[in-house]
Amino acid sequence: GQQLNQSPQSMFIQEGEDVSMNCTSSSIFNTWLWYKQDPGEGPVLLIALYKAGELTSNGRLTAQFGITRKDSFLNISASIPSDVGIYFCAGQLSKAAGNKLTFGGGTRVLVKP
Amino acid sequence: EAGVAQSPRYKIIEKRQSVAFWCNPISGHATLYWYQQILGQGPKLLIQFQNNGVVDDSQLPKDRFSAERLKGVDSTLKIQPAKLEDSAVYLCASSRTGNYGYTFGSGTRLTVV
Repeated sequence: GQQLNQSPQSMFIQEGEDVSMNCTSSSIFNTWLWYKQDPGEGPVLLIALYKAGELTSNGRLTAQFGITRKDSFLNISASIPSDVGIYFCAGQLSKAAGNKLTFGGGTRVLVKP
Repeated sequence: EAGVAQSPRYKIIEKRQSVAFWCNPISGHATLYWYQQILGQGPKLLIQFQNNGVVDDSQLPKDRFSAERLKGVDSTLKIQPAKLEDSAVYLCASSRTGNYGYTFGSGTRLTVV
C-alpha cells in the first residue's frame, strides 16, 4: 500500500528557532495535508495543499506541495513552546478514492532541555 | 460548532473480551471515519461511512472488528474478541462531503491486557 515517510522522526527545538520537516512518498498524491497532534488529543489540521508546487502559509507555518506530487515540507518559523507536539503529513490519492487519507509516521517536536 | 464527541476516553480490558466505542460527528457532516493509531505511528483508516453506507472498509479486520452507522449520524465500533495488538487509540473523524479537512475527536485509548 501507499507509504508516507516523514523525516526527521524527532527533533529538538529552541524557542525562536526555525524548524523544517519533510514528507516523501513513492506514490503521487493529489492533496497533501499537515496535521498537529497534542498528547491525548486528535490531530488538528494545520495546512492543506491542493496543487503541485503550491506554497501556503498559516501564521508561522509554511508548507509546500512538491512539483512531482510525491513530497511536501513544513516549516515553522520562530518556534515557541506550544509548537511541541507530533506533526503528521497526510496524502489523498484521488477523489475517486473518497476522502481517505494516508498518514505518515509523524515528526515528534520536543523542546531542548 | 461542537466538535466530534467520542466515548469512553479510556478503556482497559482483558484479551478475548469485547469492547465498543461511540462517536457523534459534527452536525451536518455526512462522512464519518474510524482510524486506529498505534503508539508511535500515524493514524490508519479502519472504515469510512458516507451517511449510513460503508465507502471503504478494506483495512478493517472483519473477523473481529465491526462498525455501524445506522441512522447516518452516530457510529459505534466494536471489537470482539480483543487481542493484545488491538491496544491503540481509536480516533473518529467527520467531514462534509468533498471537504478534505477532517475534524478528529479526542479518541478512545484502548489497553488490552
